[in-house]
Amino acid sequence: TQLLEQSPQFLSIQEGENLTVYCNSSSVFSSLQWYRQEPGEGPVLLVTVVTGGEVKKLKRLTFQFGDARKDSSLHITAAQPGDTGLYLCAGAIGFGGYQKVTFGTGTKLQVIP
Amino acid sequence: DAGITQSPRHKVTETGTPVTLRCHQTENHRYMYWYRQDPGHGLRLIHYSYGVKDTDKGEVSDGYSVSRSKTEDFLLTLESATSSQTSVYFCAIRTSGGDSSYNEQFFGPGTRLTVL
Repeated sequence: TQLLEQSPQFLSIQEGENLTVYCNSSSVFSSLQWYRQEPGEGPVLLVTVVTGGEVKKLKRLTFQFGDARKDSSLHITAAQPGDTGLYLCAGAIGFGGYQKVTFGTGTKLQVIP
Repeated sequence: DAGITQSPRHKVTETGTPVTLRCHQTENHRYMYWYRQDPGHGLRLIHYSYGVKDTDKGEVSDGYSVSRSKTEDFLLTLESATSSQTSVYFCAIRTSGGDSSYNEQFFGPGTRLTVL
């Protein structure tokens, strides 16, 4: 069973600080998704990265896929209380049809006003 | 935006009783999934479906069965609930279609199940 390890598990920071969350595996993924989940709700897709070395930006969030497509990072600039939530990465193997997807255990972020 | 509902949203039951959770989508997405989410384990796939009457097991399928008699409905059944099945259950649909697409999923709101 492939593993997707996320670090840190928990992060509590002050509003305005920057942070980076990591997602690491020994498996090569065909694509990798990042989700954010708020308490009592299901995860919501933020972004998909596909190409090794790819960087995508979503406002203050920057996502990078590792060159070897085994790892990814999420960087948040000037964090705001609205960024609070559980961040999950999910790596997929395969294209089209059924794709084996593994979710990381998540990083719980708290941004203090 | 994909419409997906789960019912019930909360359920408390006793060990040994059967439980069925329902997932309903309002669009004709082919792939549907059932996950459970537990602290320290993240989201783990129980079963998935790739069409009407086409289902397969995920990594934690023991003690669970599924059925999909219509495109829009995917049912998860615990034949005889155990305390280890206390969890939050999420249904998801794969929103990106086509053979060259990526596995982008849209999740329902979840069902919190407690087995006493």
